[in-house]
Amino acid sequence: DAGVIQSPRHEVTEMGQEVTLRCKPISGHNSLFWYRQTMMRGLELLIYFNNNVPIDDSGMPEDRFSAKMPNASFSTLKIQPSEPRDSAVYFCASSGGYEAFFGQGTRLTVV
Amino acid sequence: GQQLNQSPQSMFIQEGEDVSMNCTSSSIFNTWLWYKQEPGEGPVLLIALYKAGELTSNGRLTAQFGITRKDSFLNISASIPSDVGIYFCAGPKPGAGSYQLTFGKGTKLSVIP
Repeated sequence: DAGVIQSPRHEVTEMGQEVTLRCKPISGHNSLFWYRQTMMRGLELLIYFNNNVPIDDSGMPEDRFSAKMPNASFSTLKIQPSEPRDSAVYFCASSGGYEAFFGQGTRLTVV
Repeated sequence: GQQLNQSPQSMFIQEGEDVSMNCTSSSIFNTWLWYKQEPGEGPVLLIALYKAGELTSNGRLTAQFGITRKDSFLNISASIPSDVGIYFCAGPKPGAGSYQLTFGKGTKLSVIP
């Protein structure tokens, strides 16, 4: 199995632009998570999907952030418009139980 | 919300030394997970614990699920330079059918050759 695949690995964008991060979970996993990691706040859960349905999005910082999971093999996290304070590493993880497996992350820099 | 407190926050050790770190919570957990994150990578699952008192090993790593269910410990024996990274503990958020994990802030390990 290839593991959780995220793209792009790095993204540099200008403030105000739309950013879309992509994730392919491990086949057969029915839970998918988006996390954000910063030095100050550590790993923060943004949103949790179960069977493609958003279960808990209380961690999404504000309306500029949105996430979708149109099918079991694909999810996106979109930021529109992006701001410098959104700069962080964004991880996608999937699980079939409690043991979550992480992708390599997308390092986002908003200038 | 529930918090996981990890200690120490960071540690510098000599290659070959043993390492101990722990994770505590004010809430009871039924599962404890330990992850390692290397620079530029995502966290990688090391050990999963499902039963109070359980002691589980993975090579030079040994983790224990505390009897009180409010703590867990990770030990690394005979450290080597590739043990460098941040070690996170994690546990599921209470709630029926929830697989959401809460993470500690991590213990950053540096190994001096």
